[in-house]
Amino acid sequence: NAGVMQNPRHLVRRRGQEARLRCSPMKGHSHVYWYRQLPEEGLKFMVYLQKENIIDESGMPKERFSAEFPKEGPSILRIQQVVRGDSAAYFCASSPPGTSGSLKTQYFGPGTRLLVL
Amino acid sequence: AQSVTQLGSHVSVSEGALVLLRCNYSSSVPPYLFWYVQYPNQGLQLLLKYTSAATLVKGINGFEAEFKKSETSFHLTKPSAHMSDAAEYFCAVTLSGSARQLTFGSGTQLTVLP
Repeated sequence: NAGVMQNPRHLVRRRGQEARLRCSPMKGHSHVYWYRQLPEEGLKFMVYLQKENIIDESGMPKERFSAEFPKEGPSILRIQQVVRGDSAAYFCASSPPGTSGSLKTQYFGPGTRLLVL
Repeated sequence: AQSVTQLGSHVSVSEGALVLLRCNYSSSVPPYLFWYVQYPNQGLQLLLKYTSAATLVKGINGFEAEFKKSETSFHLTKPSAHMSDAAEYFCAVTLSGSARQLTFGSGTQLTVLP
């Protein structure tokens, strides 16, 4: 059973370019979460999605950032017109449906490390 | 709203010594609590979780944690540190009910000295 997959693992962009980060959840998981880890900091929640729905985007910056989880294919975190402050590790996690504690356990991917030059 | 405080951003122990990493939480409803470990340039690996069953939770690699409601704590312990335990450890909380986002502590970097 493959774990959460993220690609690319490393991404280098110049200021003003777009960054697209992909996440494929674990098999059977319908909930996807994106977190950002800035250097020397913990993970901060960005957005929570289910298939074709954004459930909670309270942690997303208001501009330039968007996320989707289409009916088919991976979840995408998109950052437009990147700036140096966007340099960070972006982690995706997934969990199965349900509200018990075990079902709310999140399993993390290896992350995408974005470097903005 | 929930929050997590990890006391001590850096902890050093000698190989074979007790490991104690502290985590205190704050939540308005019964929490679910997690410890994750992160090795350099890798993702987060789940060590153990408390989901309202037994208060003493055993995880992988010999780690365990005890949920103490009266102290609002969920400290992580291991009786004997191994060199391979050197990593960053994160405590995280989510709430019972429909809430799903994890709130993480700022992390504790564990160094194991030979």
